[in-house]
Amino acid sequence: NAGVTQTPKFQVLKTGQSMTLQCAQDMNHNSMYWYRQDPGMGLRLIYYSASEGTTDKGEVPNGYNVSRLNKREFSLRLESAAPSQTSVYFCASRITDSTDTQYFGPGTRLTVL
Amino acid sequence: DQQVKQNSPSLSVQEGRISILNCDYTNSMFDYFLWYKKYPAEGPTFLISISSIKDKNEDGRFTVFLNKSAKHLSLHIVPSQPGDSAVYFCAASDGNYGGSQGNLIFGKGTKLSVKP
Repeated sequence: NAGVTQTPKFQVLKTGQSMTLQCAQDMNHNSMYWYRQDPGMGLRLIYYSASEGTTDKGEVPNGYNVSRLNKREFSLRLESAAPSQTSVYFCASRITDSTDTQYFGPGTRLTVL
Repeated sequence: DQQVKQNSPSLSVQEGRISILNCDYTNSMFDYFLWYKKYPAEGPTFLISISSIKDKNEDGRFTVFLNKSAKHLSLHIVPSQPGDSAVYFCAASDGNYGGSQGNLIFGKGTKLSVKP
């Protein structure tokens, strides 16, 4: 049981390049989330998927797209990377119950030059 | 406007003493509160939570207290250990109100250093 996995762990992009961050969970959770964390900031929600087949914008969705490929996988795409997207990206998942507890992956550290 | 505030960016405590981390919130619709612990280069890990119908929840060395009238919660760690040194995030959820699907809103975190 690996929990939430993310690939890659590190990535360096040039401005304007595109890339997709991958996330998978093996806990049979319904909901999945993408956050970014910047220095001195908490985690800010980019997009979430409450269930397979649905996605919704979070607090900071501009410049990103997502795909809920199936129940296990939720990817985050940067179509044209900008230096402002330099951050650490975390994926999380949550079973739909009353606790709202989310479980996080190890993160992807992205640098855009 | 920040809905979840952790006003102390850092806290230093001696090993064996109590660590108290504080969190304030503004939205009275929040009904579930969580604390996460984060080590460098790792993802946040769930530590302890509390429902708004309770005022205290305890798990080993960790206790969370909720004061709804003051919109304040705190995490107590007793006794503190050097391995507790990490960044602690407070988070709040408003369940399904307003269609939020139980999303979490995080504070900016408090860096705890426990000195041997």
